[in-house]
Amino acid sequence: GQQVMQIPQYQHVQEGEDFTTYCNSSTTLSNIQWYKQRPGGHPVFLIQLVKSGEVKKQKRLTFQFGEAKKNSSLHITATQTTDVGTYFCALYNFNKFYFGSGTKLNVKP
Amino acid sequence: KAGVTQTPRYLIKTRGQQVTLSCSPISGHRSVSWYQQTPGQGLQFLFEYFSETQRNKGNFPGRFSGRQFSNSRSEMNVSTLELGDSALYLCASRQLAGENNEQFFGPGTRLTVL
Repeated sequence: GQQVMQIPQYQHVQEGEDFTTYCNSSTTLSNIQWYKQRPGGHPVFLIQLVKSGEVKKQKRLTFQFGEAKKNSSLHITATQTTDVGTYFCALYNFNKFYFGSGTKLNVKP
Repeated sequence: KAGVTQTPRYLIKTRGQQVTLSCSPISGHRSVSWYQQTPGQGLQFLFEYFSETQRNKGNFPGRFSGRQFSNSRSEMNVSTLELGDSALYLCASRQLAGENNEQFFGPGTRLTVL
C-alpha cells in the first residue's frame, strides 16, 4: 500500500531554535496535507499542498512541496513552547488517507 | 459551527465484548472517516463513509465495521474485542469525498480493552 516516511521521529529543541520535519514518498503524490496534534488532543489540519515546488507560509511555519512531488517539509522558525506536539503529513491516494508516523516536537523553555 | 463530536469519550471493555462508537460530523459534511491511533502503529485508516455508503476500507479485520445514517452521523462497531484493540479511535469529517479538502477530527474515543 501507499506509504509515506516521516523523519525524524522525535525532535527536542530549545525555545527559539528552528525545527524541520520531512515526509518522503517513493511515488509521485497528487497532494500532501499537514496536521498538528497537541498532547492529549486530536489532529488539526494545518495546510494542503498541491503544486510542484509549492511553498506556503503561516506565520513562523513554512511548508514546501518538492519539485518532483515526492517529498514535503514543514519548517518552524524560532520555536515556542506552544509548538509542542506531533506533526503529521498525510497523503490522499486510492480514496484513502495515509498518515506519516509523525514527528514529536518537544520545546524546552 | 459546532465541531465533530464523538461519544463516548472513554470506554473500558473486556475481551470478547463488542463496542459501538458514535461520531457526529460538522453540519453539512457528508464524508466521515474513522482512524485507529496507537503509539506503535500511529494513525491508521479504518474506513470512510459518504452518503451512507462505505467508500473504502483500510487493512483491518472484519470485526471492525461501520455505517452512516442519512443525517451523516456515523457509527463504528468492533466485535469480539481483543487486547490489541485498545486505542484512540478518531473520526474525521469533510464536506465531500475526494482529495482536495481538509479533514476535521473529533476528540476521539479512548477504548481500553482488559
